[in-house]
Amino acid sequence: AQSVTQPDIHITVSEGASLELRCNYSYGATPYLFWYVQSPGQGLQLLLKYFSGDTLVQGIKGFEAEFKRSQSSFNLRKPSVHWSDAAEYFCAVGARTNAGKSTFGDGTTLTVKP
Amino acid sequence: DTEVTQTPKHLVMGMTNKKSLKCEQHMGHRAMYWYKQKAKKPPELMFVYSYEKLSINESVPSRFSPECPNSSLLNLHLHALQPEDSALYLCASSHGTGGQGELFFGEGSRLTVL
Repeated sequence: AQSVTQPDIHITVSEGASLELRCNYSYGATPYLFWYVQSPGQGLQLLLKYFSGDTLVQGIKGFEAEFKRSQSSFNLRKPSVHWSDAAEYFCAVGARTNAGKSTFGDGTTLTVKP
Repeated sequence: DTEVTQTPKHLVMGMTNKKSLKCEQHMGHRAMYWYKQKAKKPPELMFVYSYEKLSINESVPSRFSPECPNSSLLNLHLHALQPEDSALYLCASSHGTGGQGELFFGEGSRLTVL
């Protein structure tokens, strides 16, 4: 069975500082990997996705993520955080043989200090 | 701007009421989903429709009844709900029906059951 772990429940960074949110997955083969962001009272928005190929993927809003098969990780990074980045971030895995069932991590809440 | 539209945004209902949540997408997506999200938790999959047929029911109580009248519309009929059903209900769609499909979410319908 597939699973996703986001080890950090809550992260606080200062505006302008760099950010890394961790995501570890468990799956028997190469999974489809996603990062979503959810602002308060909103739905989820896709930041980026990895299917295959280049292990460093670029997303919207200046985010990037790196797939590391040896570490079963797909960490999200941003070089300089903006106050508007404060939100809930979810890592998700979509199995190639489990149609329609994405598995979400528990999420990481990002707080940005001025 | 979301391309998945959910109505109503807020709903308050008593335990004996019957109400419906509605979702609409015009992206030509063939898979549509209902998720339930409690505060500070990830979305939990409830139902998946693939090509207008119910393909996944995650053992959801029968007081929740999904309906897919056509490829653009998805309803969730609510009857005899319990206070613990209070949550944010998210509709999503995806182009593909496999796990590779990124999910496009609506902003959700916040349900309160009194």
